Amino acid sequence: DSGVTQTPKHLITATGQRVTLRCSPRSGDLSVYWYQQSLDQGLQFLIQYYNGEERAKGNILERFSAQQFPDLHSELNLSSLELGDSALYFCASSEEAGVKYNEQFFGPGTRLTVL
Amino acid sequence: EDKVVQSPLSLVVHEGDTVTLNCSYEVTNFRSLLWYKQEKKAPTFLFMLTSSGIEKKSGRLSSILDKKELFSILNITATQTGDSAVYLCAVPIIQGAQKLVFGQGTRLTINP
Repeated sequence: DSGVTQTPKHLITATGQRVTLRCSPRSGDLSVYWYQQSLDQGLQFLIQYYNGEERAKGNILERFSAQQFPDLHSELNLSSLELGDSALYFCASSEEAGVKYNEQFFGPGTRLTVL
Repeated sequence: EDKVVQSPLSLVVHEGDTVTLNCSYEVTNFRSLLWYKQEKKAPTFLFMLTSSGIEKKSGRLSSILDKKELFSILNITATQTGDSAVYLCAVPIIQGAQKLVFGQGTRLTINP
């Protein structure tokens, strides 16, 4: 158990809908990362937050957005869902970010199925 | 564009065999390379490599980095069915922020 929690574990929804995935980082970690793992694209970095501020953006679609709250939990919002958004979404956390490598601890993931 | 490529994408062997998984990379400002094992859910950390030629070892798993040729290998000796998993290679990109660039993974299946 990494100490990173994600809810829900599974989510099934329809095209065009909007969902919110939630992540609580390890105690003491200020940085949160979101990754998407699909069959054809592998594990891809979406976005990083550090202490409430966005730090880095990867291949995140405009239909997706994220935020990190004062209590350091983070939410990833996916809207206008398409079939291709079906994937495993991982959250990871680390102590700091950006100056030297900080080990990222991965949560168990949320499996999103869009029908 | 930063890129990490793994080969093979899939490998099926018999229990007891030795396997070698490959990872090559093209990234700016390389600092380290990571190996993860992913079974059913989250990737779990195996090794971090920063220096060329120094082997990291953990039981039957070992890994080495070649910074001149820009690749790393992960060896598993005397494989067991419990080694069946997807093995991921990743490179951290650190530029005021941090992200991991992953390879596609190698799906390893160990048959009894």
